[in-house]
Amino acid sequence: EAGVAQSPRYKIIEKRQSVAFWCNPISGHATLYWYQQILGQGPKLLIQFQNNGVVDDSQLPKDRFSAERLKGVDSTLKIQPAKLEDSAVYLCASSLGERGTGELFFGEGSRLTVL
Amino acid sequence: LAKTTQPISMDSYEGQEVNITCSHNNIATNDYITWYQQFPSQGPRFIIQGYKTKVTNEVASLFIPADRKSSTLSLPRVSLSDTAVYYCLVGPNRLRAGNMLTFGGGTRLMVKP
Repeated sequence: EAGVAQSPRYKIIEKRQSVAFWCNPISGHATLYWYQQILGQGPKLLIQFQNNGVVDDSQLPKDRFSAERLKGVDSTLKIQPAKLEDSAVYLCASSLGERGTGELFFGEGSRLTVL
Repeated sequence: LAKTTQPISMDSYEGQEVNITCSHNNIATNDYITWYQQFPSQGPRFIIQGYKTKVTNEVASLFIPADRKSSTLSLPRVSLSDTAVYYCLVGPNRLRAGNMLTFGGGTRLMVKP
């Protein structure tokens, strides 16, 4: 079974530039999450999708971050404009949701460096 | 969601048993306890989940006392490859829309030769 796919693995940009990350969850997983993990810290949830609808985005900095999940499958996370403090690993995870056991399946992450 | 408290770091030696304890005083009746492992440059990976008493799989054991206010992840005979960060999470096991799983700071386990 294919895992959660993310791209790009690494991205270096200058502040005020924009960047987009892509995630393809495990087939059949209804729930998709984006986490931000700053070096030395645990993952912080940014946004949760159930199918193609946003369930919770209370911790998403909406002035610069946006995310969408078209057709309830792939998802993209965009940052525009980027700030130095956005340097982090952006992790995508998916789960079966109510039909599952609560297990989250994570991708390898996209490491963003903002100069 | 219940907040969890874990030691920031632990050291061990190869071949030893490692026990990592997590406190979750405000655990709710329908909450489960789940542990994840994270290696550098990888996303967290599910290790084990339990509700009460003891759960064992091929990787670890999870001990949960009757009051469920804490839990202990036990890793038998660790090797260098077990060096990682271990996260304890508390939440429902049926992730309905709106259920968020919050990661704390985790426990950094260093296994030495």
